[in-house]
Amino acid sequence: DIQMTQSPSSLSASVGDRVTITCRASQGIRNDLAWYQQKPGKAPKRLIYAASSLQSGVPSRFSGSGSGTEFTLTISSLQPEDFATYYCLQHNNYPRTFGQGTKVEIK
Amino acid sequence: QVQLQESGPGLVKASETLSLTCTVSGGSISSYYWSWIRQPPGKGLEWIGYVYYTGSTNYNPSLKSRVTMSVDTSKNHFSLKLSSVTAADTAVYYCARDATPAYWGQGTLVTVSS
Repeated sequence: DIQMTQSPSSLSASVGDRVTITCRASQGIRNDLAWYQQKPGKAPKRLIYAASSLQSGVPSRFSGSGSGTEFTLTISSLQPEDFATYYCLQHNNYPRTFGQGTKVEIK
Repeated sequence: QVQLQESGPGLVKASETLSLTCTVSGGSISSYYWSWIRQPPGKGLEWIGYVYYTGSTNYNPSLKSRVTMSVDTSKNHFSLKLSSVTAADTAVYYCARDATPAYWGQGTLVTVSS
């Protein structure tokens, strides 16, 4: 299985801050990576697929980059509704594997 | 807009079989992969596997010996069976469209009791 390692596991930030979350794959996965946002009690919501393609309807303050083994999700200016847990998912191989999550909390 | 809804018992006894169904509305079940993903309380996400509309499947090796997925195109729904459950199988179970899902059900909590 491909192991996905996210960092940090949690972070505290203020509204307006620029936030970056990293995901590293245990082997190269080209650009086959998606990012999800999950709020308490809700299903995950896909933000980014193919590493950098923005899901329709997702605000442009979210962006993704990377290829191979290292990927980043950036929120350019954190908004109140962005406080949530974020997961990466590799879609290069089966079984699909998620990162362990990054919880973004209010500072 | 496609919608997915999980249904099934919320409580299952240890050693028995967990059975869930996902009903798809707003679109046909044909021509897509249909996935199950679970999340233990307070923990991360685990991909269980998918069933294609033709009936072909791909399961997570960690669960493969206990998992069966099927699809019923006439009812526009697909199903998950997980046998010999233990407390470690207690989780919110999500159904979703595709193996890298954009569309998810709301999730259903299944608790395994001893």
